[in-house]
Amino acid sequence: RKEVEQDPGPFNVPEGATVAFNCTYSNSASQSFFWYRQDCRKEPKLLMSVYSSGNEDGRFTAQLNRASQYISLLIRDSKLSDSATYLCVVNNQAGTALIFGKGTTLSVSS
Amino acid sequence: NAGVTQTPKFRVLKTGQSMTLLCAQDMNHEYMYWYRQDPGMGLRLIHYSVGEGTTAKGEVPDGYNVSRLKKQNFLLGLESAAPSQTSVYFCASSRNVGEDNEQFFGPGTRLTVL
Repeated sequence: RKEVEQDPGPFNVPEGATVAFNCTYSNSASQSFFWYRQDCRKEPKLLMSVYSSGNEDGRFTAQLNRASQYISLLIRDSKLSDSATYLCVVNNQAGTALIFGKGTTLSVSS
Repeated sequence: NAGVTQTPKFRVLKTGQSMTLLCAQDMNHEYMYWYRQDPGMGLRLIHYSVGEGTTAKGEVPDGYNVSRLKKQNFLLGLESAAPSQTSVYFCASSRNVGEDNEQFFGPGTRLTVL
């Protein structure tokens, strides 16, 4: 099992749609979880951290299920500007670095 | 605030040539990282550093060497470039690791090895 697995997509949705991305991770000892966003030919940027109790930032909601080793990202009321690749990120076994998933591509159309 | 900068932005090498990629950060971060990103492979960690004078191997270290002589700089060296090292290289830094310790990335170096 790969350390961090994501559905690569692409997810093609109309503006205003709600879309959810899922991610699974293999290291049960992982303590840090994040979603990063990467625009085409640009560097990744932090979208949000993921906390055990779940957390929300505007239209974005992240959930963590430690028992199932599963992370999700929900985007409500999609905007054209949400079109990007979303990277699921988990800390490595030693806790010294991050492991990135391959990313899920979202395309929002008008 | 410049954040994380990388030089050069683009480079074309011939097989067997050597080069050094420079990463600099002005945020006084302890941790620095070098990744490569290839189509369909995602970001893969090459080497990282947990502080000045330290380095450690990541997932794909073969063919690369690194040095962290100054806290603000992290150098990635290719001693004898191979076509398999054609990739986009990203440097990143973070204050620490764990919750809320964001990694800040540089703009990337696009390397082609012919």
